[in-house]
This record gives sequence, structure tokens and C-alpha cells, in this order.
Amino acid sequence: GAVVSQHPSRVICKSGTSVKIECRSLDFQATTMFWYRQFPKKSLMLMATSNEGSKATYEQGVEKDKFLINHASLTLSTLTVTSAHPEDSSFYICSAPVGQAGEQYFGPGTRLTVT
Amino acid sequence: GEDVEQSLFLSVREGDSSVINCTYTDSSSTYLYWYKQEPGAGLQLLTYIFSNMDMKQDQRLTVLLNKKDKHLSLRIADTQTGDSAIYFCAGGSGGYQKVTFGTGTKLQVIP
Repeated sequence: GAVVSQHPSRVICKSGTSVKIECRSLDFQATTMFWYRQFPKKSLMLMATSNEGSKATYEQGVEKDKFLINHASLTLSTLTVTSAHPEDSSFYICSAPVGQAGEQYFGPGTRLTVT
Repeated sequence: GEDVEQSLFLSVREGDSSVINCTYTDSSSTYLYWYKQEPGAGLQLLTYIFSNMDMKQDQRLTVLLNKKDKHLSLRIADTQTGDSAIYFCAGGSGGYQKVTFGTGTKLQVIP
């Protein structure tokens, strides 16, 4: 099946700094990727749809200036959490849809802790 | 938007069958999916069913779809300890469209 990687797997940063998370499709091209946030014992919350070569589509309530998404190539999308605060601490997961059924292949996730 | 509901927790004994249930509100979903998430990891696609099907079997996994009642289930035969995880159902239109995930069911397998 399709493989998606994420980097870093864990990151700890100080409040006020910015953190970049990378999502790569390793063996296929992904014109679309999704970014999710998952709170402990909670379902996935879709943050935005990342589109190669164009602006991301953000879900209602997600601050686009805080969560910057760039999809500069067919294999890489990045999520930058700007001016991070402790409430941004969470598990961030990306995915890419493959095939007519749109089955999503997920990255392993990034645990962000803001101190 | 669509709501997708699941029971929070299910506990079964090793070797028994597990049945995880899911109800959804949007009957326009073309595809319905089941994903598995182990602790601290991303989600793994288990299987999916096209909305005009009633059943799909894939080795130990059986998916049943009742469109009239908007009910989806995943049956795991001969449940093993390695099946312990959180299971999410999801619905979507396919292609590059976003999907809506259920609340997740934590499956605990007792040896």
C-alpha cells in the first residue's frame, strides 16, 4: 500500500516559537493531503485540505494564519504552527487519499508539546 | 455536516468475535471505511465498502452495511490481542474529497 511519512515524530518547543511538521508521500504522488489534529481519547478533527500548487482549504474555526500549510510539491506538504502556545499541544496527523475510493493513507503522526 | 457515532468501548475475550458498530446521518456517503489506530500511531486503513454493497468480507474482517438504518458494522473473527486498538468508521464521497470520521471505539482484547 501507499506509504506516508511524517517528521518529526515528537517535538517539544517553547511558547511563542514556530514548529514545522513535514508530511511526505514516499511511493506515490499526492496532489491532496489532509491535516488532522487529535486530542487525547478523541476523534480526528480535520484542520485543512492541502492542495499542491494552490492555497489550502481550512475548516471552520481553524486559524489559517496560525496553522500555515504549504504544498509545494507532489510529495510534500508542511504544516507550520506559528507562535505556538500550550493549547496547541496535540497529536497532528496527515493523510493522503489514494484511488477512486479515496481511501486515506496516514502518516505516523507528530506529537507536539508546547511548554 | 455528517455525524458519525460509535460506542466508546468494547471488551472481548481472545478467540471470540468482535462487532464494532457505527451509525451515520449522511446517506450520500459513497464509500464507508474502517480504520485502526494503535497507541501513538497514525491510522491504518482496514477495509472499505461501496455504498451499494451490503457486505464485504476480507479474511477475518466482515463489513455489513444497512443503508436503510444508516448502520455500519465491522466484525472481527477470532479476535487476537494484536487487534487491541481504536477503530474508526468514516464516510466520504471518494476521490480527493474529505471524509468524516466517527468518534472511535476502543477495543480491548482479554487474553
